[in-house]
Amino acid sequence: IQLTQSPSSLSASVGDRVTITCRASQGIRSYIAWYQQKPGKAPKLLIYAASILQSGVPSSFNGSGSGTDFTLTISSLQPEDFATYFCQQTYSYPQTFGQGTKVEIK
Amino acid sequence: QVQLVESGGGVVQPGRSLRLSCEASGFIFNKFGMHWVRQAPGKGLEWVAVVWYDGSNKYYGDSVQGRFTISRDNSKNMVYLQMNSLRAEDTAVYYCGRDPGWSPSFIDSWGQGTLVTVSS
Repeated sequence: IQLTQSPSSLSASVGDRVTITCRASQGIRSYIAWYQQKPGKAPKLLIYAASILQSGVPSSFNGSGSGTDFTLTISSLQPEDFATYFCQQTYSYPQTFGQGTKVEIK
Repeated sequence: QVQLVESGGGVVQPGRSLRLSCEASGFIFNKFGMHWVRQAPGKGLEWVAVVWYDGSNKYYGDSVQGRFTISRDNSKNMVYLQMNSLRAEDTAVYYCGRDPGWSPSFIDSWGQGTLVTVSS
């Protein structure tokens, strides 16, 4: 199953609302997780099962979608949110990741 | 607290083998699935393999199927990745990750990674 994230990168300002999409090549129900990765660091789980916020993750992060189309929204971008974001499908093996979306400071 | 520490990375020649290890602590290891995920320099994440909590099932990514083997030793809180017939394109940081075993699956904790460089 292929995952296509868009955009590949974006520039935004602190306080902006940011939306990242992840499209699956076939239906995967709600079997999507979202991760944040900062340079030189391991990924960090943000959301699982498409919309469930991982413990400790700010409520400014929101996930939605099912089937083939999924969205990660950051309601108000904070300085610490500038990073690369990846979606992952866990519907079937082999599991796969999207190519990533880099969120940069405008 | 949950801790995952990878080791075993280094420089290896094409065609040779290498075994990575991941030592887990801070949780009941035999209740969690364990993944390996890799990241080539400057690239995205690539899922490599998973082993279920009891070792009963293992699955692999297409690019490593038949060359890599994942295993675990629940008595030692360790998970391993045996990598054979290494290629230049296997050069990456390799992360181990913990999977609570729920459905849908996800990786809720990650190690810091170990770098594997395949070069002559």
